[in-house]
Amino acid sequence: KAGVTQTPRYLIKTRGQQVTLSCSPISGHRSVSWYQQTPGQGLQFLFEYFSETQRNKGNFPGRFSGRQFSNSRSEMNVSTLELGDSALYLCASSLGGARTYEQYFGPGTRLTVT
Amino acid sequence: AQTVTQSQPEMSVQEAETVTLSCTYDTSESDYYLFWYKQPPSRQMILVIRQEAYKQQNATENRFSVNFQKAAKSFSLKISDSQLGDAAMYFCAYRSAYSGNQFYFGTGTSLTVIP
Repeated sequence: KAGVTQTPRYLIKTRGQQVTLSCSPISGHRSVSWYQQTPGQGLQFLFEYFSETQRNKGNFPGRFSGRQFSNSRSEMNVSTLELGDSALYLCASSLGGARTYEQYFGPGTRLTVT
Repeated sequence: AQTVTQSQPEMSVQEAETVTLSCTYDTSESDYYLFWYKQPPSRQMILVIRQEAYKQQNATENRFSVNFQKAAKSFSLKISDSQLGDAAMYFCAYRSAYSGNQFYFGTGTSLTVIP
């Protein structure tokens, strides 16, 4: 079974631009979560989508948004990029049920904002 | 919000020896899950071991075991017979049983294995 895939793997953007990252979960997984990883703040939860609905949301500004499609693929969008948005963005998928707690992570998208 | 603390930014261990990584967490919930994830340099994060809070028995996965002390809110990871491939960043994580897949991660411990 294929793992979690994320595209693109690397991205360089300029301040003020917007960016869209994509995540394809493991087949059959309905939950997709997004995390931002930086050296200073570590891993921080952005949001979780389950069956096309946002189920949980972390403490990030509204510039960070996401969505999930009917095939469970998810995208996250960051608008009006700031230098501080430079990070590794990780996506994780799981079956999503109440007791299905294992998350499987993708390789991440490395975003650099200049 | 729940917090997870890893007080050891860096640890090292001799190959074949045993090392213990520490993790404490703060929560008012009674039902939750705890995890240790491993992130090798420039590689994907993988699950090492998990523990359900309602289980008193400590989880074990081959050379990896945990010491789960619920009252003390402590969750340490013991790696026995350390191997070079164990070198990685290790993250402790907490997930509530009530709120979907929102994980809270510690800041990580960088483990070096010395040949």
